[in-house]
Amino acid sequence: QVQLVQSGAEVKKPGASVSVSCKASGYTFTSYAISWVRQAPGQGPEYMGWMNIYNAHTNYEEKFQGRVTMTTDTSTSTAYMELTSLRSDDTAVYYCARVRGNYHYHYMDVWGTGTTVTVSS
Amino acid sequence: EIVLTQSPGTLSLSPGERATLSCRASQKVSSSYLAWYQQKPGQAPRLLISGASSRATGIPDRFSGSGYGTDFTLSISRLEPEDFAVYYCQQYGSSPLTFGGGTKVEIK
Repeated sequence: QVQLVQSGAEVKKPGASVSVSCKASGYTFTSYAISWVRQAPGQGPEYMGWMNIYNAHTNYEEKFQGRVTMTTDTSTSTAYMELTSLRSDDTAVYYCARVRGNYHYHYMDVWGTGTTVTVSS
Repeated sequence: EIVLTQSPGTLSLSPGERATLSCRASQKVSSSYLAWYQQKPGQAPRLLISGASSRATGIPDRFSGSGYGTDFTLSISRLEPEDFAVYYCQQYGSSPLTFGGGTKVEIK
């Protein structure tokens, strides 16, 4: 079955960087884009951006421009999201998700297992 | 940015009852590009509906979506015990993609 399995929880200090991985299985990895969404404790989801796995094109939400980088390793069917200059309000569960619809205007039909990132001094 | 307002914040119902959840957009959602997700504690969101009314694969037909423009509704015809969860709407008709704040459906 289609699965997205993410890396484990992280605890970081303010100013540090975090990298989250997302390993896909059960479908042709290069046929779908991957988006990243985060959810702060008790809040609704917040969209961060997406990556076209086939050509590595990325599109980041303005709020995260300059701090987020999305990459992929097609040889291992894994997507990565790095967030730098971490602040306490970056504490959240980070999800990768498979994109459906067209690339710019899409919804997500399969979600990853989630990675909890805690930013604390 | 399109702001999605979900109401009510919490819906207290009994198993077997009908649930009606609302999602109102601050601007027209293009092409009815609206999705609904279900989320249970400690789990990732699960896609229920896309295109305002199309059920995702494997979603029971007690879930239905409707609406157009700025007003959208998710209905659950007869609540099963596994339906008690938080529900989010998401618009994907314009950038940035945005989510609502959620409606919690709890057991009365």
